[in-house]
Amino acid sequence: ETGVTQTPRHLVMGMTNKKSLKCEQHLGHNAMYWYKQSAKKPLELMFVYSLEERVENNSVPSRFSPECPNSSHLFLHLHTLQPEDSALYLCASSQDRAGGPYNEQFFGPGTRLTVL
Amino acid sequence: KNQVEQSPQSLIILEGKNCTLQCNYTVSPFSNLRWYKQDTGRGPVSLTIMTFSENTKSNGRYTATLDADTKQSSLHITASQLSDSASYICVVNLSGGSYIPTFGRGTSLIVHP
Repeated sequence: ETGVTQTPRHLVMGMTNKKSLKCEQHLGHNAMYWYKQSAKKPLELMFVYSLEERVENNSVPSRFSPECPNSSHLFLHLHTLQPEDSALYLCASSQDRAGGPYNEQFFGPGTRLTVL
Repeated sequence: KNQVEQSPQSLIILEGKNCTLQCNYTVSPFSNLRWYKQDTGRGPVSLTIMTFSENTKSNGRYTATLDADTKQSSLHITASQLSDSASYICVVNLSGGSYIPTFGRGTSLIVHP
């Protein structure tokens, strides 16, 4: 496997379910990110992890709970979601969390989440 | 408020034709601007990155321009191919060290044979 992988690629869940999204990067990066991409809206940065520590939480509801057990893996635990949470959830990684031009982010293919 | 506006929202062109996508931003202080290409069912992939001092950068048939004075960028695609059908996203990052992005909504490009 190369790059950034995400599983599952598609997920349908009810509002009372608990599920988890998984992301794995094989690039040796130190920073990982969760994004939400809704139709017709800009990408929203949800969480930022640097060296396994959460450094940003952009006012995301507590029904989304991230976990970063090591620098290669990132999880997003979901519980009691709402239909408006249906979206494409993208994971990305970069060398570090700097905003400079040479710190390119590499994205996974995303998990298409549908909440019924 | 920091914003990134992209136009047009969608565009349909014939294969072989050129097109230009626009990105206007109000992000300040500015660090860099990146254009991404996102194919359906995939994550975004970086096409070009531009800093304040750069005004043109090419990547194959893709050429990005930046006018930091007017806070405008464009992405020009030459001799379009069917594989160029995708969403093109403009992202502007704040200066200050950390990654603080503002994303545009994207332009959806469809190239017809």
